[in-house]
Amino acid sequence: GAVVSQHPSRVICKSGTSVKIECRSLDFQATTMFWYRQFPKQSLMLMATSNEGSKATYEQGVEKDKFLINHASLTLSTLTVTSAHPEDSSFYICSASAGVSSGELFFGEGSRLTVL
Amino acid sequence: LAKTTQPISMDSYEGQEVNITCSHNNIATNDYITWYQQFPSQGPRFIIQGYKTKVTNEVASLFIPADRKSSTLSLPRVSLSDTAVYYCLVGEWDNDMRFGAGTRLTVKP
Repeated sequence: GAVVSQHPSRVICKSGTSVKIECRSLDFQATTMFWYRQFPKQSLMLMATSNEGSKATYEQGVEKDKFLINHASLTLSTLTVTSAHPEDSSFYICSASAGVSSGELFFGEGSRLTVL
Repeated sequence: LAKTTQPISMDSYEGQEVNITCSHNNIATNDYITWYQQFPSQGPRFIIQGYKTKVTNEVASLFIPADRKSSTLSLPRVSLSDTAVYYCLVGEWDNDMRFGAGTRLTVKP
């Protein structure tokens, strides 16, 4: 199946710093990418939907100035958590769609962010 | 938005067949039904997808009634390694990809 890779898988940072997470589709072109966050024992919460070359569409309650999403190419999307705080500590997961009508999503391995 | 409802948790024993049902009463005409499996600290993994009737692959079967307002994931002869959270996702390829609460399946020896 199609492969989506996230990097880094784990990151620890100090409060106030910014962290960038990359999501790459390795063997297909991703017309649409989705970013989720997941807290322990909870489901995935959709943060934003991004299409290559256009601005991301953020879900209600997600601060677009805090969670910067860039989808500059058909194989790469990045999520930057700006001025991170401990409450931003979470598991961030990206997924990509190849744009076929079936709607199958391919997920990355996830990135665990810990803000001290 | 096709909201989904699943049982919060299920228990089973090794070797048994497990059926997890997902309700999606307001599914749209263009929506597909996709099931994912997630282990702790990993991204979800695709299990099976369908639009209507029955779909079967090497790991599971998916039953979808004619009205498509629900779907049932069937896992034959589960093992301990099938302990995970299972999500049904209803939507199109470019939108509505929101997860419900999922079903936490625990397989016991």
